[in-house]
Amino acid sequence: AQTVTQSQPEMSVQEAETVTLSCTYDTSESDYYLFWYKQPPSRQMILVIRQEAYKQQNATENRFSVNFQKAAKSFSLKISDSQLGDAAMYFCAGGVQGGSEKLVFGKGTKLTVNP
Amino acid sequence: EAGVTQFPSHSVIEKGQTVTLRCDPISGHDNLYWYRRVMGKEIKFLLHFVKESKQDESGMPNNRFLAERTGGTYSTLKVQPAELEDSGVYFCASSQEGRYNEQFFGPGTRLTVL
Repeated sequence: AQTVTQSQPEMSVQEAETVTLSCTYDTSESDYYLFWYKQPPSRQMILVIRQEAYKQQNATENRFSVNFQKAAKSFSLKISDSQLGDAAMYFCAGGVQGGSEKLVFGKGTKLTVNP
Repeated sequence: EAGVTQFPSHSVIEKGQTVTLRCDPISGHDNLYWYRRVMGKEIKFLLHFVKESKQDESGMPNNRFLAERTGGTYSTLKVQPAELEDSGVYFCASSQEGRYNEQFFGPGTRLTVL
């Protein structure tokens, strides 16, 4: 079984500041991957960043980066230089390679960006 | 390139009625997934199609839910008869074949059962 836990229902950050969203997971699989998805208000969910478990290097996409701690089963998202457009619901999700590759999601963290 | 589309965006029905949700995946995506988010809870997997075949339907709550994917293109999810606990947002996602492929999500259908 695989579980994903987001312990922060809500977070806020000042514009231009840095914020870190937490995510922990549990899986017995060795070949898995993790995602952060973003859902702005009334809009579609979009992929922010992806990390394959076999890669030791943390993924980075512009202002978004992850801190992937495999032994601790932790996968946090850091947003640097926060912008108003970053305000959204952020979902951490995990999948297992092979089989159905269904995603298991956390409950989400609502991020507010204050001007 | 058009994204994943879902219809309707909202549906309000009475308990006991039937509702059919539709999902059009991105053209060429063989994988199609249905997920559901009940208010305040996690987004939960319902089922996965590869082309027209059901690869995994382990998340389907009960036999009141029927999913089809005709010709490996669009998919429908029918709830019959609807119950109060079926209320939530139903998401569809699609992806290409391959390893660790990103799932592209539709905007969701918000279903309210009164």
